Parts: sequence; C-alpha cells; structure tokens
Amino acid sequence: DAMVIQNPRYQVTQFGKPVTLSCSQTLNHNVMYWYQQKSSQAPKLLFHYYDKDFNNEADTPDNFQSRRPNTSFCFLDIRSPGLGDAAMYLCATSRVTLSSYNEQFFGPGTRLTVL
Amino acid sequence: AQSVTQLGSHVSVSEGALVLLRCNYSSSVPPYLFWYVQYPNQGLQLLLKYTTGATLVKGINGFEAEFKKSETSFHLTKPSAHMSDAAEYFCAVSVGTSYGKLTFGQGTILTVHP
Repeated sequence: DAMVIQNPRYQVTQFGKPVTLSCSQTLNHNVMYWYQQKSSQAPKLLFHYYDKDFNNEADTPDNFQSRRPNTSFCFLDIRSPGLGDAAMYLCATSRVTLSSYNEQFFGPGTRLTVL
Repeated sequence: AQSVTQLGSHVSVSEGALVLLRCNYSSSVPPYLFWYVQYPNQGLQLLLKYTTGATLVKGINGFEAEFKKSETSFHLTKPSAHMSDAAEYFCAVSVGTSYGKLTFGQGTILTVHP
C-alpha cells in the first residue's frame, strides 16, 4: 500500500544533542510537509518542500532545518533541541498542481522526548 | 488570512447517540475544507473533504459533513456513535495556496461512553 512512513516512531535525545527525524513516501507526491504538534494542540506547519524548493514558515525557529534529497525522502534536523521542542512531529505529503489540490496524507508521527 | 474555529474542545456522547462536532471557518475566497481524525500517538487520517460540488460530503466510518457557505460552517456528524469513534478531530481549511497549506482548528476530543 502507498503510504507515508516515519522513523523512528519514538526518539529520545538529550538537551542540545542534534537529532534527525526521517520521513519517506511511496505516493510520489510533489509536496512534503513537516508539522510540530504539542500536547493538546493543533499541528503547526514548520516548513514544506514543493519539489526541490524549500519553504520556511515565518515563525519556524532557526534550530529546525530540513533536507529532501529526492522525491521519496525528507528529513527534519533539530540542531540543538531544547526542552520546548519535545513534541510529536508529523510528516505529510500531497500532490499539488496549478489546477487541483488534493488532501494531505500524514505519517504516524515521531514522538520526540528531550531529556 | 483564513482561520478555523472548532466549538467545544471536548464533546461527550453515549454509544449510539448522534455525534455533532462544530466547525466554522473564515476565508475571503472559496475554501477547501477537511476533517481529520487522530487517535492517540498516531498521525492524522482524513475523514472527508469538501472542494467543490455537492455540499453534503460523506466520509469514512459513517461520518458526513455539510458545507454551508451562508453560515461559514462545516459541521461533522455521525448518526450513531461507536466506542471506536473516541479520538481527537481536527477541522482544517485551505484556500488553494500554491502549496496547499492547511490551517487547523484547535481540535475536539470526542469521548464515547457506554
């Protein structure tokens, strides 16, 4: 089945220790998104890739970076995690064209704990 | 800019009762509207969507929603709640930006009791 896969599902890191979260998709979608979701809150968009073009939301901290080496994979890098970065991180994909828009497909998420 | 308001952060119903989760949106252009469901420690799953055409849309698991432009609403309903419906539900709007950005409501936690 076509899907969005996130690894690992649970990640524990230490304060200030860089961490990378992974997302892959078999849907061949052109847009990939990263969201941060804190407890009892709505998902908050951090950034997205439209094909190879990276687009940052205005309020995304510099501590968060992303890479998309090919259509299928996208990574979220947190350079120096703080306690406030503990959250669920959701990857999503969509096929977006000039003439149509389809829904976003979400992965199962990675729950990040910062000690 | 678009926004979404979900009325009621918690809704509790009895098994077999009607489920009604309220969503109102604000948009200056015709919106695309979505309902997603999230179970604990999982990602979001699409329940249903409205883009154009018929204003009453049917989704998975017996849910449906009606787009009412005059009321700027997109309420989610299910005639008979099941225990497995207990989850958090998010309403979201997109106004067709070049990259399909979603704006989410704050979510409604649905509790179903026997």
